[in-house]
Amino acid sequence: EPEVTQTPSHQVTQMGQEVILRCVPISNHLYFYWYRQILGQKVEFLVSFYNNEISEKSEIFDDQFSVERPDGSNFTLKIRSTKLEDSAMYFCASRGTSLQETQYFGPGTRLLVL
Amino acid sequence: AQTVTQSQPEMSVQEAETVTLSCTYDTSESNYYLFWYKQPPSRQMILVIRQEAYKQQNATENRFSVNFQKAAKSFSLKISDSQLGDTAMYFCAFMKGLLGNQFYFGTGTSLTVIP
Repeated sequence: EPEVTQTPSHQVTQMGQEVILRCVPISNHLYFYWYRQILGQKVEFLVSFYNNEISEKSEIFDDQFSVERPDGSNFTLKIRSTKLEDSAMYFCASRGTSLQETQYFGPGTRLLVL
Repeated sequence: AQTVTQSQPEMSVQEAETVTLSCTYDTSESNYYLFWYKQPPSRQMILVIRQEAYKQQNATENRFSVNFQKAAKSFSLKISDSQLGDTAMYFCAFMKGLLGNQFYFGTGTSLTVIP
């Protein structure tokens, strides 16, 4: 069964550094998402992406964040200058176009900002 | 704005017994989808079951079923014949619209199945 994959599984970075989280969505999916989950809290929506542009974003997704689909397979989330409060699990998800489709989540990247 | 509420932070159930996890939501939308996701300790979220708001019939998937009460905006998950592998965090989620975008998640219920 097709899966969403994410790399790396864990990332440790210093405050102020840039990080890029990578995702490979399911190949025939067209909608892509990033969510984050701060430890012990609920999963929060960050951004959705369709047709090479952001279709919706939350208040969390400020100018420090950006997303890109650099080729036909990868979908990346970049945090330009990480803050301590960016420490979280980041989940990528993808969805097809059928009304029967749901969002399929990747295993997540655990980001720790020191 | 959409909100999803899970009022049970933690629950436990004996193996082979039945447990019900509650979820309520608030929306002004008429078309939407509801989901239950399972997040085991490995932390990858897995879809358990989904319900289309326009369907009156409650969704079922093997040992998992829902009690969808649209007027009450309630969407509970029943797990029958609980198994040790059901131990996980369970999230209720809401997606608005027929071509909905973001999910709104509840705070989760941590379920422990006791041998």
